[in-house]
Amino acid sequence: GAGVSQSPRYKVAKRGQDVALRCDPISGHVSLFWYQQALGQGPEFLTYFQNEAQLDKSGLPSDRFFAERPEGSVSTLKIQRTQQEDSAVYLCASSEGLAGNYEQYFGPGTRLTVT
Amino acid sequence: GQNIDQPTEMTATEGAIVQINCTYQTSGFNGLFWYQQHAGEAPTFLSYNVLDGLEEKGRFSSFLSRSKGYSYLLLKELQMKDSASYLCAGRNSGAGSYQLTFGKGTKLSVIP
Repeated sequence: GAGVSQSPRYKVAKRGQDVALRCDPISGHVSLFWYQQALGQGPEFLTYFQNEAQLDKSGLPSDRFFAERPEGSVSTLKIQRTQQEDSAVYLCASSEGLAGNYEQYFGPGTRLTVT
Repeated sequence: GQNIDQPTEMTATEGAIVQINCTYQTSGFNGLFWYQQHAGEAPTFLSYNVLDGLEEKGRFSSFLSRSKGYSYLLLKELQMKDSASYLCAGRNSGAGSYQLTFGKGTKLSVIP
């Protein structure tokens, strides 16, 4: 079956522009996660959705970052007024269960470069 | 969250065995994942350990010692395609149990 997909795969933005990154999780997966991965680092947690509810946004680095999942499936991560330090790969992952012992399935990521 | 520590880089020879270690804080811990990530690709699940001991899955095995805050991933009969980054991730206990804390990853290079 289809895995997690993300679009665009690559995005170049000028500093100050707004960007929107899309994630299509595996159908039926209730949990959805966004991570930020800097070069040579592991993924860092940004936010967590259980269906349409955003239960944890403690990892969002600033109020310029906003995520939504209005119908409990597709999710969008929006970054306003992008800064150079926002350059990273943004990974989306989904899992079928509510608890953390379920495997997370990752998408290929969106590589954001802010110039 | 956890404080995950793993070596930055390792090199091993094709056909050999390599062990990648990971240490973590034991307080608030409730499970450990290993993921493989090839350059420019998504992390893919390898193993999940909750109880002490060794779990074997083909050429890959994962070990956990909860009392020591220690895990390792063992790769046998190394192949060139095993060259990748290996991510150790701890799961928290309690209300935030959905959250994983990843280490920085160990970049494994397999040489002929």
